[in-house]
Amino acid sequence: KAGVTQTPRYLIKTRGQQVTLSCSPISGHRSVSWYQQTPGQGLQFLFEYFSETQRNKGNFPGRFSGRQFSNSRSEMNVSTLELGDSALYLCASSSGHVYYGYTFGSGTRLTVV
Amino acid sequence: DAKTTQPTSMDCAEGRAANLPCNHSTISGNEYVYWYRQIHSQGPQYIIHGLKNNETNEMASLIITEDRKSSTLILPHATLRDTAVYYCIVRVEGTGGFKTIFGAGTRLFVKA
Repeated sequence: KAGVTQTPRYLIKTRGQQVTLSCSPISGHRSVSWYQQTPGQGLQFLFEYFSETQRNKGNFPGRFSGRQFSNSRSEMNVSTLELGDSALYLCASSSGHVYYGYTFGSGTRLTVV
Repeated sequence: DAKTTQPTSMDCAEGRAANLPCNHSTISGNEYVYWYRQIHSQGPQYIIHGLKNNETNEMASLIITEDRKSSTLILPHATLRDTAVYYCIVRVEGTGGFKTIFGAGTRLFVKA
């Protein structure tokens, strides 16, 4: 079956702009989580959505937001981009139960110049 | 939130067993231990997980101590393709859901 699909794979934006990243989970998975990965900070949890509701949120500023649609696809948005937002953004899907792990996508590499 | 502590890096000879330790001394009774690995800028790949009992699958074995404060991931016959960053994580129940806390991971180098 198809894995987790993230689009686009690469993105270059200018400081101050905003960006929207997309994630299509594995069919049947209702939970989608987002992570930011940078060399300095490692993998950091952004937020988790389940059935269109945000269930958990990490310690990121309000410029980072997300949503989930009725088909479980999710988007995350970063407004007023800063150079420090350059990172690999990873999406992971899960059935939503703690027993089952996450399946990660390949990520979107965002570069802010 | 329960956190994990792992060695920064480890070496292993090809064909030998790789034993990767992890401390999670603040783990709660209903929190699972998961292991993932990440190969150069790809998304993390699930390896194995467990709650109390030792677990084994086609990729690895997971040994969890009786007090659940630490665990060891065992790759029985490491190959060069097992060179990666290995993350030991706990899934923490939050408000109505769960979030996964990643530590810095262990960079495993498998050498020929």
